[in-house]
Amino acid sequence: EVQLVESGGGLVEPGGSLRLSCTASGLTFSNAWMSWVRQAPGKGPEWVGRIKSKVNGGTVEYAAPVKGRFTISRDDSQNTLDLVMNSLRSEDTAVYYCATYNVGVVAGATRFLGLDVWGQGTTVTVSS
Amino acid sequence: DVQVTQSPSSVSASVGDRVTITCRASLGISSLLAWYQQKPGRAPKLLIYTASSLQSGVPSRFSGSGSGTEFTLTISSLQPEDSATYYCQQTDSFPVTFGGGTKVEI
Repeated sequence: EVQLVESGGGLVEPGGSLRLSCTASGLTFSNAWMSWVRQAPGKGPEWVGRIKSKVNGGTVEYAAPVKGRFTISRDDSQNTLDLVMNSLRSEDTAVYYCATYNVGVVAGATRFLGLDVWGQGTTVTVSS
Repeated sequence: DVQVTQSPSSVSASVGDRVTITCRASLGISSLLAWYQQKPGRAPKLLIYTASSLQSGVPSRFSGSGSGTEFTLTISSLQPEDSATYYCQQTDSFPVTFGGGTKVEI
């Protein structure tokens, strides 16, 4: 069974930094494309970013609200996915989830199909 | 960015009813749409991908249809455990975007 466990959430002051980690088991992590999604209180999910597997280039894409402040990285030797968050703002307050970014071939091209396994989430609160 | 708009925002129905949720994309996205179910305090769960493909383990009362800009999620016979919020998500292009959600109450 694939399991994802996030850690590292907490209370941080505006302008501060935080590092979240996601530890994966039950899958060949090095082959997995991974994503971070967040959900502010009472709101819908918001995609944060995605990292490809290293064999597929390891490239990262970010949502506009976090680009330049957040960094996604992976350590395939430890089966971990990280999210480093800098210059945090009150609007970054949310539950942060890691998820497997499932891709498949559609009409001859590799396309994103959905986020098929999610962790339980870790809460980040940005407040003074 | 491709915006996705869901309707209705909430629906109340009885056990055994057929429930339909609609998602509209601001641009054509072929069949690249997913549906998720989220219960309070839990992570979203993938139900449907590529508009109509049922994720493994999801009951067959859930189905999806559509392509281009208009999509639907149908629960053919509502069960008590289906009480949740449902989200669509376009998977065609960055940034990946979610709809605003539909709360289904029994």
